[in-house]
Amino acid sequence: EIVLTQSPGTLSLSPGERATLSCRASQSVSSSYLAWYQQKPGQAPRLLIYGASSRATGIPDRFSGSGSGTDFTLTISRLEPEDFAVYYCQQYGSSRFGGGTKVEIK
Amino acid sequence: EVQLVQSGAEVKKPGESLRISCKGSGYSFTSYWISWVRQMPGKGLEWMGRIDPSDSYTNYSPSFQGHVTISADKSISTAYLQWSSLKASDTAMYYCARLDTAIGYDPWGQGTLVTVSS
Repeated sequence: EIVLTQSPGTLSLSPGERATLSCRASQSVSSSYLAWYQQKPGQAPRLLIYGASSRATGIPDRFSGSGSGTDFTLTISRLEPEDFAVYYCQQYGSSRFGGGTKVEIK
Repeated sequence: EVQLVQSGAEVKKPGESLRISCKGSGYSFTSYWISWVRQMPGKGLEWMGRIDPSDSYTNYSPSFQGHVTISADKSISTAYLQWSSLKASDTAMYYCARLDTAIGYDPWGQGTLVTVSS
């Protein structure tokens, strides 16, 4: 069973700063099936990135994904106020989710 | 517009049964799996299981196997999640999501809040 570990648990940053979120898999996974989701309070999750690095429809280009094998990264180049949320990675072949990273305002 | 619309919030007592629904529209319902995801208060996302609406084949997470039942009625483009005997620990928000094997889970339903309390 694949386990996805996200770090850090919480990231405290200011608007305009760069956010780097990590997702590490317990075994090598196909990057074709690695996704990132954003969840704001009181809302359903929203697909941000699929195939490790492709942005979903309507997602701003300040969001980017990278990585392969066991290590994947979501980067938000310049945080906007609406980006403060919880982010989850998922290996959608197995459907497992990581534990999430909360990006909060510093 | 592709969307999933879930049934409304429920308040139940321990031991009661419940079925919540997820209706798809704007796409061929039988062409994509539907998954159910639990989110307990203040916690992360947990995959519960999924169904292929074309033939009702299901996969369950070991954590949920035997505790819930996932079904679908393709004639009305609706998937279901049901419990035969609820527990207080089933209190959570439940989401359905369409699995597109090319891109992941998209879209998601708006969520159904289930509260189990005596």
